[in-house]
Amino acid sequence: AQSVTQLGSHVSVSEGALVLLRCNYSSSVPPYLFWYVQYPNQGLQLLLKYTTGATLVKGINGFEAEFKKSETSFHLTKPSAHMSDAAEYFCAVMRGDSWGKLQFGAGTQVVVTP
Amino acid sequence: GAVVSQHPSWVICKSGTSVKIECRSLDFQATTMFWYRQFPKQSLMLMATSNEGSKATYEQGVEKDKFLINHASLTLSTLTVTSAHPEDSSFYICSARDSALDRGRGYTFGSGTRLTVV
Repeated sequence: AQSVTQLGSHVSVSEGALVLLRCNYSSSVPPYLFWYVQYPNQGLQLLLKYTTGATLVKGINGFEAEFKKSETSFHLTKPSAHMSDAAEYFCAVMRGDSWGKLQFGAGTQVVVTP
Repeated sequence: GAVVSQHPSWVICKSGTSVKIECRSLDFQATTMFWYRQFPKQSLMLMATSNEGSKATYEQGVEKDKFLINHASLTLSTLTVTSAHPEDSSFYICSARDSALDRGRGYTFGSGTRLTVV
């Protein structure tokens, strides 16, 4: 079965600083990987996804993530944090060989300080 | 883009009553929808997979008689919390995938329903 580990339940960054959210996964088959963002009392919005092809994936709002098979990682980055980036971020994995359910990580709360 | 409408966005009900939550795909057909539950400051836990025209598939530990799922059309799935109790208070979120697209496109999530049982 697949699983997702997000390192750090809370991350505090200064406005303009680099945002780095870590995600490691385990899967017996090539996975599809996703990052979602959730604002308070709202559903999830897709930031970006990796399925096949280029391992560096660019998403919305200036975020990008790199799939590293050797490290089983899919870390999310943004070069310069904005106040509007304060939210909960979830990494998720879907098995590549099924219509599959999403397995979510525990989430990382991002706080942006002025 | 794909839009999933979830209704109501919040509901307060008395203990022992039932509550129905709707999840509707507005501009695409979804043979499969998923229902998640999220406790405060926690991740999403999959409750069940809703399949159009057939019975839902429940995750281990989820009471199928308590959480009734009906997926009667390609655009609508409903979750009914029967005989609700305070411990059922939570944030419920649905998601749907456009049947015409490959699975790698990901899923569109509804905006969630905050259920409070008093």
